[in-house]
Amino acid sequence: GQQVMQIPQYQHVQEGEDFTTYCNSSTTLSNIQWYKQRPGGHPVFLIQLVKSGEVKKQKRLTFQFGEAKKNSSLHITATQTTDVGTYFCAGQGGGFKTIFGAGTRLFVKA
Amino acid sequence: SQTIHQWPATLVQPVGSPLSLECTVEGTSNPNLYWYRQAAGRGLQLLFYSVGIGQISSEVPQNLSASRPQDRQFILSSKKLLLSDSGFYLCAWVGTIGIMNTEAFFGQGTRLTVV
Repeated sequence: GQQVMQIPQYQHVQEGEDFTTYCNSSTTLSNIQWYKQRPGGHPVFLIQLVKSGEVKKQKRLTFQFGEAKKNSSLHITATQTTDVGTYFCAGQGGGFKTIFGAGTRLFVKA
Repeated sequence: SQTIHQWPATLVQPVGSPLSLECTVEGTSNPNLYWYRQAAGRGLQLLFYSVGIGQISSEVPQNLSASRPQDRQFILSSKKLLLSDSGFYLCAWVGTIGIMNTEAFFGQGTRLTVV
């Protein structure tokens, strides 16, 4: 079945450093979504990308969808302690399945 | 706007005991509903999803079952819990535009510990 791989599993950064997490799918995706989960909480939707090569920005966050619609990335510029959490990508599998990547847990040291 | 109610928030159950987790949705009709499980420090594993009353798709063969007795109610059950069933269980409603899934809205989750 479809798999969504996400790397790295963990990332420790100093506050002010940049951070990137990468997502790869074994099959072409119709769209990709990104979520953030704070420790102890539930995932919260950040954004959805639909078009090939699409780039979207939310303040210090930049999201990209690959030209082949099989990979995506989330880049955070100048991390802050409030960015701490786990970032998940999610793609639509066959039918109405939403398949999540394993997540990248971000630690930010002040 | 849609609201997802999920309870209980935490649960400690002995091995071999039954389980019933309930999820209800408000503010939408005929929702696509999902159950995910998250092991400690891990990703979200899709367990079941349902596109309508009585329609259940199972993703991973295991010790769990799901039912959708009403349009806005989704229930996760087990007859006999295993230690490996411990985890954070999340119910979600996923919006759709035609055949494309959109944003997933999650409940607060149930943290299950099987002892």
